[in-house]
Parts: sequence; structure tokens; C-alpha cells
Amino acid sequence: TQTVSQSDAHVTVFEGDSVELRCNYSYGGSIYLSWYIQHHGHGLQFLLKYYSGNPVVQGVNGFEAEFSKSDSSFHLRKASVHWSDSAVYFCAVSANNAGAKLTFGGGTRLTVRP
Amino acid sequence: GPKVLQIPSHQIIDMGQMVTLNCDPVSNHLYFYWYKQILGQQMEFLVNFYNGKVMEKSKLFKDQFSVERPDGSYFTLKIQPTALEDSAVYFCASSLDGPEVFFGKGTRLTVV
Repeated sequence: TQTVSQSDAHVTVFEGDSVELRCNYSYGGSIYLSWYIQHHGHGLQFLLKYYSGNPVVQGVNGFEAEFSKSDSSFHLRKASVHWSDSAVYFCAVSANNAGAKLTFGGGTRLTVRP
Repeated sequence: GPKVLQIPSHQIIDMGQMVTLNCDPVSNHLYFYWYKQILGQQMEFLVNFYNGKVMEKSKLFKDQFSVERPDGSYFTLKIQPTALEDSAVYFCASSLDGPEVFFGKGTRLTVV
């Protein structure tokens, strides 16, 4: 059984602040971990993924995420947020095969205040 | 970038009627998906589809649900008959192979 937990439903920061959005997962087997962003009224957009290798992966718009096997975590970070980063962020796991379903966490709503 | 188009963006349907949600996936993609999102809640997998066949379906994919992609055109989700609890936003998605999945903007289905 795949489960994904995002402990913070809401995070509010000011523009220019750093932010970390937390994701923990449980899954037996070889997996992909990924992050998606959903702006209001839109579908999800892929940010980044991890499968193996360097545990820190870079994504679009200055986002990065770090995989930790010991903590079963894949937290998303950004050093300096912009108001346009306000959105809902979803962490997801999927099996290591083409076309595998994504299992999402509950999402974290990030609000960036000017 | 590549886009998944969903038509219509909103649909209101009487309970018990049939509804078909249409999706135009990214042209060279091979895998297709439907997800369901109820307001304020998480994204739930419904079904994935490859080479004309369902790969996997979740418990949310009730017997009243069906998917098809006739002649490589639209990828459709049909619900017949609809129930009140089917009200949600339905997202179509497609991918070429790996976990980078492209999502449409969703169709908001309201069953009244």
C-alpha cells in the first residue's frame, strides 16, 4: 500500500522568505517521488522527480527537493519565494513502471504574502 | 509546453443521466489517466489506460464508469448513470512513459 503524508495543510510566508513543504511516504518497492503544483482553477503541473542518484533534485522555478531514505521523506524547498508561488503543492509516489498511477498526499496550500 | 485539453470545463447534469467527459491528451503520449478531486480534498486516482485497455482502476472507479479512446482520438470518461456523489472535478492526464504526467485543467461536474 502506498501512502503519502503532507503534514502541513497550510503554510504562509512572506515574499523573499525560504520555505520547506514536508512530505513523508510509505511504499514497499522501487518508486518515483515527485512534486506537482496546482494553481487555482488549473490542473497539476510537474515540478520535479526523484528515482535514484543525488538525493537533492532541482526543479523548475528554483524549487528543489531532498530525498531521505532513513526518514522516508521528500521535502520540497525554495530559498526565496515569490507571490506567484502561491498555490497548492502535491507530493506523489508512483511505482517504477511506465504508466503507473500517482498516489498523492493531501496537498499543502502555500500562501506568499507581499 | 505540451497541453492536455478537457472539454467542457463545467458540466451540470441531472442525477441518473449519462455524462461523457472528453479529454484531448498530448499527441505523442501513450498512457492516459483520470483523477477525481473533491473540493478541498486530495487528488484521487480513478483509472489508467494504455494501448486500448485499462491498466488499473481504483475502488472509486465504480461499475457505472467506463473509459475509451476510440480511433486514437479523445480519451473519454463516461458515467452512466450519474449519482450525487459523482460531483467533483475530474482531471484527465497523459504521459509518455515516466512519472512526469501532464494534467488538463479539469472538468467540474455537478450532479443535481
